[in-house]
Amino acid sequence: AQKVTQAQTEISVVEKEDVTLDCVYETRDTTYYLFWYKQPPSGELVFLIRRNSFDEQNEISGRYSWNFQKSTSSFNFTITASQVVDSAVYFCALMTTDSWGKLQFGAGTQVVVTP
Amino acid sequence: GAGVSQSPRYKVAKRGQDVALRCDPISGHVSLFWYQQALGQGPEFLTYFQNEAQLDKSGLPSDRFFAERPEGSVSTLKIQRTQQEDSAVYLCASSPRTGEGIDEQFFGPGTRLTVL
Repeated sequence: AQKVTQAQTEISVVEKEDVTLDCVYETRDTTYYLFWYKQPPSGELVFLIRRNSFDEQNEISGRYSWNFQKSTSSFNFTITASQVVDSAVYFCALMTTDSWGKLQFGAGTQVVVTP
Repeated sequence: GAGVSQSPRYKVAKRGQDVALRCDPISGHVSLFWYQQALGQGPEFLTYFQNEAQLDKSGLPSDRFFAERPEGSVSTLKIQRTQQEDSAVYLCASSPRTGEGIDEQFFGPGTRLTVL
């Protein structure tokens, strides 16, 4: 069975603070892909990153960074120096090669950034 | 705009009515996906097309749900005899390739269905 857990329901920060979103996944497949999507109030899911199970290198893109650790089945996401425009729901998702195309999403974490 | 479009954006139906939700994927995208997102939850997979072939419909919750993509571009998700539990946002996504690679899925704005 595959599962994605985002234990944090909502995180509130003041602008310029850093915020880390946790994502823990479960799968028996050895080949899989992990994703993060952002869903702003407009509702449209916006792709942020894709990582495959063989690439454990951490990644940084501007103020965003991701920490993938297979040993703990986690794929955490950090926003550095948060801005009001970062306010959104963030989803972690898993796709395995046995169920290609089927994104398994977590429940999401609502991030609220106040000025 | 070159993104995924969905219509209508909002739909109110009385219980028992049939509804049809439309998705226009990004031009040239081979794969098309439907997801259902209940309030406060993550999207749940419904079905997947590769061109006109429906390759996976394991997520359709009941036989009242039917999806088609007859010419390999526009897709329609039909829900017959709607129930209150069908109230959700229905998201459509497309991606350019098939199973040879894992591409990101580009999502549309969704159709918010409310069943009274």
